[in-house]
Amino acid sequence: GIQVEQSPPDLILQEGANSTLRCNFSDSVNNLQWFHQNPWGQLINLFYIPSGTKQNGRLSATTVATERYSLLYISSSQTTDSGVYFCAAGGGATNKLIFGTGTLLAVQP
Amino acid sequence: NAGVTQTPKFQVLKTGQSMTLQCAQDMNHNSMYWYRQDPGMGLRLIYYSASEGTTDKGEVPNGYNVSRLNKREFSLRLESAAPSQTSVYFCASSEGVWGPSVEKLFFGSGTQLSVL
Repeated sequence: GIQVEQSPPDLILQEGANSTLRCNFSDSVNNLQWFHQNPWGQLINLFYIPSGTKQNGRLSATTVATERYSLLYISSSQTTDSGVYFCAAGGGATNKLIFGTGTLLAVQP
Repeated sequence: NAGVTQTPKFQVLKTGQSMTLQCAQDMNHNSMYWYRQDPGMGLRLIYYSASEGTTDKGEVPNGYNVSRLNKREFSLRLESAAPSQTSVYFCASSEGVWGPSVEKLFFGSGTQLSVL
């Protein structure tokens, strides 16, 4: 099945800094999503992006399906951006959504 | 709109006890899912229901059963709880009908379960 790897595992930023989170997947996909899990455990869907680029405020995401990776950009980070960011990919024979182990982001004031 | 609602939020069980986690969504979604999240790991799919009346196994189905009661509700049952089932459980839903990899997932707030 699909393997999903995220990097970096941990990231500490000062408020106002920019960051890039990466998600690599091992096989072709027809589904790629990014989620944010806040410190209270709530999972929020950020992007559904099997290919191309999308932007939502200070966040944007790009998936290059042919090269099997996706990037999540956070600009002008705020303390409320803290939490864990998960990438999940699906496709292939089983078509199941597989989650990476996440990037733990801490934004300091 | 409440979105996806899970109950209970917290539960402590003794080994061998049984319990049912309830999930309901009000978005008229076709597909519903149960995931578990363990420390340092991503979410793993336990079971899913692509549409009302159907259920299928995910990555880690052993020790669990599910019921798609109607389009809104999808319950997860632990028949004989084991310490290895200590985890945070999330219910999710999506609009698509073709399985767990279609469309955006929307999650409930989670159930923290401890099995002693």
